[in-house]
Amino acid sequence: ETGVTQTPRHLVMGMTNKKSLKCEQHLGHNAMYWYKQSAKKPLELMFVYSLEERVENNSVPSRFSPECPNSSHLFLHLHTLQPEDSALYLCASSQDRVGNGYTFGSGTRLTVV
Amino acid sequence: DAKTTQPPSMDCAEGRAANLPCNHSTISGNEYVYWYRQIHSQGPQYIIHGLKNNETNEMASLIITEDRKSSTLILPHATLRDTAVYYCIVRDRPNNAGGTSYGKLTFGQGTILTVHP
Repeated sequence: ETGVTQTPRHLVMGMTNKKSLKCEQHLGHNAMYWYKQSAKKPLELMFVYSLEERVENNSVPSRFSPECPNSSHLFLHLHTLQPEDSALYLCASSQDRVGNGYTFGSGTRLTVV
Repeated sequence: DAKTTQPPSMDCAEGRAANLPCNHSTISGNEYVYWYRQIHSQGPQYIIHGLKNNETNEMASLIITEDRKSSTLILPHATLRDTAVYYCIVRDRPNNAGGTSYGKLTFGQGTILTVHP
């Protein structure tokens, strides 16, 4: 366990479904991130939340909707996804005032059918 | 943030030192060098970071050249469990102005290190 917990670990959903990914950290960090990792591609930063405010949205389609209700929780709401959205979705947190590294969760392996 | 260049793959014998190079010739004075690794189907794991001095922790050592244009991550006694993708990332120190700060990590392709018996 890294201190960042992601659920579920695996998810299979149809293109018309609505689902949510959950990320939880109790490390006292003040920033949280969603990354996407497709097969044979580098990790792509999707969203950044700092002090519960979204500070970055890297041209992510609106079918992905993040939510950060408090500093410990981050959600990624999914609806009407496409098969090409199948990937490993990783959550991370950091306490960047002191320049420390990120702590990543183990990810959710998403398959869209 | 400055870009980095790493070899796509490397091999290392178990028990030997693994030396992973990284070029970051456009690094600026405020940028740190970070190393992460990702074992198959897991999230990346922080290893070490440094600015200009060499650094060592329980996982690895980081050697940064005097001109800071390149660095080497050293795993002193590689084991089979060290087989992973290793990422070298150059990143600016987060901006602390205004009471909010966050840092952004941009990952490249990394180096696939294979440790063999």
